[in-house]
Amino acid sequence: SQQGEEDPQALSIQEGENATMNCSYKTSINNLQWYRQNSGRGLVHLILIRSNEREKHSGRLRVTLDTSKKSSSLLITASRAADTASYFCVLGNEKLTFGTGTRLTIIP
Amino acid sequence: DVKVTQSSRYLVKRTGEKVFLECVQDMDHENMFWYRQDPGLGLRLIYFSYDVKMKEKGDIPEGYSVSREKKERFSLILESASTNQTSMYLCASAVSQFDQPQHFGDGTRLSIL
Repeated sequence: SQQGEEDPQALSIQEGENATMNCSYKTSINNLQWYRQNSGRGLVHLILIRSNEREKHSGRLRVTLDTSKKSSSLLITASRAADTASYFCVLGNEKLTFGTGTRLTIIP
Repeated sequence: DVKVTQSSRYLVKRTGEKVFLECVQDMDHENMFWYRQDPGLGLRLIYFSYDVKMKEKGDIPEGYSVSREKKERFSLILESASTNQTSMYLCASAVSQFDQPQHFGDGTRLSIL
C-alpha cells in the first residue's frame, strides 16, 4: 500500500488523558500532514511536518517524524470531549495520499 | 479563515442522471480538488485543477468530469450517475498542490438510487 497505515484503528480514552496515534508508511515523502474529521464533516488540517523536520508542536498537539523508520506519531495532550473525531495521516509527495484514519473517542 | 463551501450537504439522484456538485472557495487559491471518501478506502483524488480551465486527473477519474470557469468555483460532474458513485464527496482548495495544507468543505453525501 502507498498510503500511511494508522495505528490503532480505534482508541477510547478518558477525558484528560493523552492520546497517541501512529502512522507508518513505505514510500518516500516530502511532507506528512495530519487532519481531523468530525463525524459527517470535512477534514480540518492540524499540522504539516516536512521530511527534514523531526518534531512540531501546535497547542496541545505534538507530531514527530522519523524518516529512517518511516513513521510518525500524533500526540494530543489533556484530551477533551471535543477531540472526539477521526484522525488521518496524509503522505505528501507528488500527490497527497490519505490513510484510513484512527477513530478517537474521548469519554467524559 | 479559508472558507470552502459545497452547494449541498445531502443529495439523492437516480441512475443515469447527470449530476453537478459545486464548490466555491473564498481565499483566491490557485488549486482546487475533488475527492471521494468511502469506508475503509480513505480519501481518493478524482480530479484537481491548478488554474482556471486547467485540470488534471487524479486516481479515480472514470465516470467523472470537472469544470473550472472561474478561479473560485470548481464543479464535479457525474455524466451518467451509477449506484457505485454513491459516496461522500469532498472539495478542497490550497495555495499549492501537495506541499501546503488543504482546506476542505463539509462534503456532499450523494446517494444514487
